[in-house]
Amino acid sequence: NAGVMQNPRHLVRRRGQEARLRCSPMKGHSHVYWYRQLPEEGLKFMVYLQKENIIDESGMPKERFSAEFPKEGPSILRIQQVVRGDSAAYFCASSPLTSGASTDTQYFGPGTRLTVL
Amino acid sequence: SQKIEQNSEALNIQEGKTATLTCNYTNYSPAYLQWYRQDPGRGPVFLLLIRENEKEKRKERLKVTFDTTLKQSLFHITASQPADSATYLCALEIAGGGNKLTFGTGTQLKVEL
Repeated sequence: NAGVMQNPRHLVRRRGQEARLRCSPMKGHSHVYWYRQLPEEGLKFMVYLQKENIIDESGMPKERFSAEFPKEGPSILRIQQVVRGDSAAYFCASSPLTSGASTDTQYFGPGTRLTVL
Repeated sequence: SQKIEQNSEALNIQEGKTATLTCNYTNYSPAYLQWYRQDPGRGPVFLLLIRENEKEKRKERLKVTFDTTLKQSLFHITASQPADSATYLCALEIAGGGNKLTFGTGTQLKVEL
């Protein structure tokens, strides 16, 4: 059973370009979370999605950032007009969150390291 | 303001000893507290979860305690091995918070021969 997959593993963009980060959850998982880890900082929650729904986007910057988790295909985190401050490791996690459960283990992918030149 | 604090200084211990890592938090009322391990260049790996009404949880050589009065969790690795060297992260989950995790900055553990 493959784990959470993220691609690309490394992404280099110039200022002003767009970055698209992909996350395929574990088989059977329908809940996806995105976190960002800046150098020397802890992981910060960005957004929580279920299939075709954004459940909690309280950690997403108001501008330039968007996320989706379509019915088919991976979850996408999109950053438009990237700036140097967007350079970070972006991690995706997934969970099955069985019906009625109050919490569930989140399984993390290997991350995408974004470098903005 | 809300804070989760873990020792920023690396912890160096000798193989075979018990490593104890601390996680303190302020202005949170977590329903769950989780510990993760993160190796360089990799994503966090879940280790243990403890609920607010639990005092202690064990899994093989790992033990976690949770004191909601002190607002502190201790994470112990007994009979430590060089392979335990990694960064250990604590994460809080708030009841009704939609499963999002709030992480500390982590403590780097190095187990030496």
